[in-house]
Amino acid sequence: SQQGEEDPQALSIQEGENATMNCSYKTSINNLQWYRQNSGRGLVHLILIRSNEREKHSGRLRVTLDTSKKSSSLLITASRAADTASYFCATEGYSTLTFGKGTMLLVSP
Amino acid sequence: GEEVAQTPKHLVRGEGQKAKLYCAPIKGHSYVFWYQQVLKNEFKFLISFQNENVFDETGMPKERFSAKCLPNSPCSLEIQATKLEDSAVYFCASSQGGDNEQFFGPGTRLTVL
Repeated sequence: SQQGEEDPQALSIQEGENATMNCSYKTSINNLQWYRQNSGRGLVHLILIRSNEREKHSGRLRVTLDTSKKSSSLLITASRAADTASYFCATEGYSTLTFGKGTMLLVSP
Repeated sequence: GEEVAQTPKHLVRGEGQKAKLYCAPIKGHSYVFWYQQVLKNEFKFLISFQNENVFDETGMPKERFSAKCLPNSPCSLEIQATKLEDSAVYFCASSQGGDNEQFFGPGTRLTVL
């Protein structure tokens, strides 16, 4: 069964606004990773946060991890139309990634 | 290479035919993973390799699916006697270590008619 569950399933915002996506999971993990998938394309790795980390930044991305609540969030600040894509969280345990169903983000100009 | 390469990009098979997909991991990466994505959302883990050894095959439907990673050859995923429900995009990924970020290839879209 799927480990990660993203919330919301779909998000529509205007350029310049921030986008927040959440991910919940069920079992212990080594790390949690966020990926982006543009329509019809492969996955692009965005950020990896390990189980002993609480927050990580990369450019306009900010990821938090709360292992006590088994949840993570991805914040994209100052969104751009090019950020339009599906975003997946994936939990890693024993080298296997288990993906959630994804959040579809639409950023309108 | 610097990117995970997958061939072919598209594959069309009639039900019952065989399908074979190939993946060349990033040079220096010792782990290879195969995932199946159905209907643009859920990714299902199939199998992983550490070099040429199977690391985890808990996701593989063993009756019809098989995979190999032989030295000096692209890794392969083979589906014998394809079924309609095998229609999906199959992604290969590689990583340096088992718990490192995984780099994904562009995928092979398999359509079973």
